Amino acid sequence: EIVLTQSPGTLSLSPGERATLSCRASHSVTSYFLGWYQQKPGQAPRLLIYGASSRATGIPDRFSGSGSGTDFTLTISRLEPEDFAVYYCQQYGSSPITFGQGTRLEIK
Amino acid sequence: QVQLVESGGGVVQPGRSLRLSCEASGFTLSTYALHWVRQAPGKGLEWVAVISYDGVNKYYVDSVKGRFTISRDNSKSTVFLQMNSLRGDDTAVYYCARSSDTRNNFDYWGQGTLVTVSS
Repeated sequence: EIVLTQSPGTLSLSPGERATLSCRASHSVTSYFLGWYQQKPGQAPRLLIYGASSRATGIPDRFSGSGSGTDFTLTISRLEPEDFAVYYCQQYGSSPITFGQGTRLEIK
Repeated sequence: QVQLVESGGGVVQPGRSLRLSCEASGFTLSTYALHWVRQAPGKGLEWVAVISYDGVNKYYVDSVKGRFTISRDNSKSTVFLQMNSLRGDDTAVYYCARSSDTRNNFDYWGQGTLVTVSS
């Protein structure tokens, strides 16, 4: 099983600032099989990034993904009020599919 | 528009069974794999199971193998999760989610249905 470890657990920032979220895998993940999701309270997760760096339909370009092998990053260039949420990375290339434990992005 | 609607959740005693349904609309379900993902109260996401577009391939997380069964009826645009021998740690919101195949991102999710296992 591939374990995904996200850091930090909580990130406190202000609107307009840049957010950098990390996802580290216990074994190498082919970039094609790495995604990022956003979840707001009481809502289902929403796909943001797939294939490590491709934005899903309708996702603003302030969201970007990068990385390869065991280290991946989600960057939000300038935080908007609606971006404060929990973010999960996911690998879907190896069974079982696994998620990171999440990073909570909160308003400072 | 693409919609996935889960149903069948509720309160159930330990050891009993429950069947969840996920009804799809706005797209052709028979061309997509379908996953179940759960989220215990206040916790993160846990993938549970997937079924291929044709129902031939099914995969499960170890903790539910032998207790949960995923199935589909493409003629009714519905995927099911039969959950037997339920335990307290199965308590969670259960989401269904679509992907283009069994090893791909989840591009649409339902709103979830809550399963509570308690005596």
